[in-house]
Amino acid sequence: AQSVTQLDSQVPVFEEAPVELRCNYSSSVSVYLFWYVQYPNQGLQLLLKYLSGSTLVESINGFEAEFNKSQTSFHLRKPSVHISDTAEYFCAVRGKGGGNKLTFGTGTQLKVEL
Amino acid sequence: DAMVIQNPRYQVTQFGKPVTLSCSQTLNHNVMYWYQQKSSQAPKLLFHYYDKDFNNEADTPDNFQSRRPNTSFCFLDIRSPGLGDAAMYLCATSRGQGEYTEAFFGQGTRLTVV
Repeated sequence: AQSVTQLDSQVPVFEEAPVELRCNYSSSVSVYLFWYVQYPNQGLQLLLKYLSGSTLVESINGFEAEFNKSQTSFHLRKPSVHISDTAEYFCAVRGKGGGNKLTFGTGTQLKVEL
Repeated sequence: DAMVIQNPRYQVTQFGKPVTLSCSQTLNHNVMYWYQQKSSQAPKLLFHYYDKDFNNEADTPDNFQSRRPNTSFCFLDIRSPGLGDAAMYLCATSRGQGEYTEAFFGQGTRLTVV
């Protein structure tokens, strides 16, 4: 079984400032890692994923996340946020060999202010 | 564009009155999932279909049922909705459950129970 911890329920940040959203996981097997973004009253959109290879993964809109196996973390970062990044961000894990069942964290609300 | 479509986006039902939520997909994916997301909580998997095979999560209440008449459609039936069933219901699909598959989500149906 897997579990995901997102310690920060809300992160306020000013526009153009850097941000880090933290994600830690627990699993008895190797995992795949994902970040999803959810805008108000919308479904989940995949932001980026780590399946194998380079531990640093990037999205097309400037977010990046680094898989750190020793610290069991997959923190999400962006060097300069925009108002349009305001949304809820969910970290999720999937155990290798365990089908496609995703286990989600409780989410972090990113609020970008002017 | 190929996508996952959920209808309706918003559903209001009366306490105890059966309700059905709909999900359709044009991706021709063989796996379909239903997640429940309560306010400020992580999405939680209720069940999934792998082709016609139904897989129920151990802690999904009996009040929740699902039907998949064909590849494209999947329904979530709540037999006797209670106030605690008010939530966003998310449908997702994936092509198989192999290592490099990813889940695609619909925009969700927000269910209100009055």
